[in-house]
Amino acid sequence: EVVMTQSPASLSVSPGEGATLSCRASQSIGTNLAWYQQKPGQTPRLIVYGASSRAAGIPVRFSGRGSGTEFTLSIRSLQSEDFGVYYCQQYDGWPPVLNFGGGTKVEI
Amino acid sequence: QVQLVESGGGVVQPGRSLRLSCAASGFTRYSYALHWLRQAPGKGLEWVAVISYDGSKIFYADSVKGRFTVSRDNPKHTIYLEMNSLRSEDTAVYYCARDPSEVVIAGYFEHWGQGTLVTVSS
Repeated sequence: EVVMTQSPASLSVSPGEGATLSCRASQSIGTNLAWYQQKPGQTPRLIVYGASSRAAGIPVRFSGRGSGTEFTLSIRSLQSEDFGVYYCQQYDGWPPVLNFGGGTKVEI
Repeated sequence: QVQLVESGGGVVQPGRSLRLSCAASGFTRYSYALHWLRQAPGKGLEWVAVISYDGSKIFYADSVKGRFTVSRDNPKHTIYLEMNSLRSEDTAVYYCARDPSEVVIAGYFEHWGQGTLVTVSS
């Protein structure tokens, strides 16, 4: 089973600053990685898939990078609506065993 | 637009059963796999199961294998999660989510429902 590890667990950022979130896979997953944003009391929202492709309606200030075992999600010039918990998720392999990282909380 | 509406959550005693439903709408073709995921209170996300567009392929997380069963009724655009032998650790908000790919299972979650809370407690 692929284990996903996110760092840091939490991150304090001021509006207008940038942030970089990390996600590491215990074995190579190619680019089969997605990122989700979840605000308090809300449903998760897909941000990035295929490690670097933005989902529909996601602002260009979000960018994903990486392949193999190391991945990052960068948020340029954070807006107030960007605060929340971000999860990475791997979807490599068959049959599907789909795993999430523990999340990174981005707070003011 | 795509809508997924879960129902059936509630309070249930340990060892008992519960069935959740997820009604889908807003697709032009219902040829997508649908997933169940859950989130325990204050915890992270956990994938539970997936059912392919035609019900021919079903996969489960190890934590629920043998206790949970997924099925779908395509004419009703609805999938179900039958949960048996429930445990306190099954307490969570259960989400239904749509896979992005038609026919094949891509394995990530493009659209999510609002979730339904299941509480397992005596």
